[in-house]
Amino acid sequence: DGGITQSPKYLFRKEGQNVTLSCEQNLNHDAMYWYRQDPGQGLRLIYYSQIVNDFQKGDIAEGYSVSREKKESFPLTVTSAQKNPTAFYLCASRRTGGNTEAFFGQGTRLTVV
Amino acid sequence: AQSVTQPDIHITVSEGASLELRCNYSYGATPYLFWYVQSPGQGLQLLLKYFSGDTLVQGIKGFEAEFKRSQSSFNLRKPSVHWSDAAEYFCAVGAPFTGGGNKLTFGTGTQLKVEL
Repeated sequence: DGGITQSPKYLFRKEGQNVTLSCEQNLNHDAMYWYRQDPGQGLRLIYYSQIVNDFQKGDIAEGYSVSREKKESFPLTVTSAQKNPTAFYLCASRRTGGNTEAFFGQGTRLTVV
Repeated sequence: AQSVTQPDIHITVSEGASLELRCNYSYGATPYLFWYVQSPGQGLQLLLKYFSGDTLVQGIKGFEAEFKRSQSSFNLRKPSVHWSDAAEYFCAVGAPFTGGGNKLTFGTGTQLKVEL
């Protein structure tokens, strides 16, 4: 079945460490997104990519980095520069052209201790 | 810039009662509008979407939404709520996919509680 896979589902890291969240899709979508979700704040866009080897900052990109070396993959690195990294992270993808909606992965809950 | 407002943070309804969740958007042209549902600790599932045409759209699980351009609203409705509808609901606004930009902007969500 086609879909978006985020791994791991739960991730614990010590403060000051970088950590990378995985996002893989087999929907053949060109566009991919990373959102951060905190209680009462909805989904806030971190980074998005519309094509391989290209990506744009979203509304809260500071302290995060991404790469898009393959169409299927869009990993997110939470760096030590991110002041408050504990959150629920959601990856999404979207087809190009015409009327399209975003499809979401199941999320990764990152806890920094 | 596009934005979405969901004025109700929490809503409680009795099972079998009707439901309306409010969504107001700000967008410079005809928007693409979406409603998503999220169960705790899960990703988002699309309930319905509006791109153009008939302003009353039907979705999954018996939900519908009406686009009202004059009120910049896209409210979600269900005639009879089931206990399994308890979840968080997000409204989102976006643009047609173009080379220049393709952001989806989400509201802060409405948490629905269903009383038995």
